[in-house]
Amino acid sequence: AQTVTQSQPEMSVQEAETVTLSCTYDTSESDYYLFWYKQPPSRQMILVIRQEAYKQQNATENRFSVNFQKAAKSFSLKISDSQLGDAAMYFCAYRSVSSNYKLTFGKGTLLTVNP
Amino acid sequence: DTGVSQNPRHKITKRGQNVTFRCDPISEHNRLYWYRQTLGQGPEFLTYFQNEAQLEKSRLLSDRFSAERPKGSFSTLEIQRTEQGDSAMYLCAGHRDGTEAFFGQGTRLTVV
Repeated sequence: AQTVTQSQPEMSVQEAETVTLSCTYDTSESDYYLFWYKQPPSRQMILVIRQEAYKQQNATENRFSVNFQKAAKSFSLKISDSQLGDAAMYFCAYRSVSSNYKLTFGKGTLLTVNP
Repeated sequence: DTGVSQNPRHKITKRGQNVTFRCDPISEHNRLYWYRQTLGQGPEFLTYFQNEAQLEKSRLLSDRFSAERPKGSFSTLEIQRTEQGDSAMYLCAGHRDGTEAFFGQGTRLTVV
């Protein structure tokens, strides 16, 4: 079974600074997808960024980028120029290619952005 | 707004009562998922529908839980004889093929 580990329960960053959230995972599969989801307080969980395991190039979405290290099974999220609206719980998630889109989540990292 | 709505947003119930939650995905979502999120944990998969067919159930889904998706549209999740351990956020997510999950805001259940 796949597992996802987020070792940082909480992180904080100053507005306009950069922060990196860590995620490791365990799988025996060679093809899969990795995600970062953002869950603001009392609001819907939304997809921040997606990485296909077969792609060597790290995904980027505006201020959000990942560092995907397949051999190390590591998938960190970097948020640049942090904004107050980035404050949320961030979940790392794994999806097997063959899992009918079922997601396996980590426990989450609560990000605080200080003005 | 992801287009997936869940009702009610909050539910407080006494132990032993039955509760039912509803999820309304957008019409293009042929796949629908239920997840449970307890305090300090990430969402955990409960069950999955493709159209009206329930194709997978987690071992977390005890006999007291039942889910339906009549006509492949909205879905309901019922918990019978609720226990305090059922207190959690219940999340619904919709997919259409080729896209990733769109989550609802969840239903927070408190069993007292």
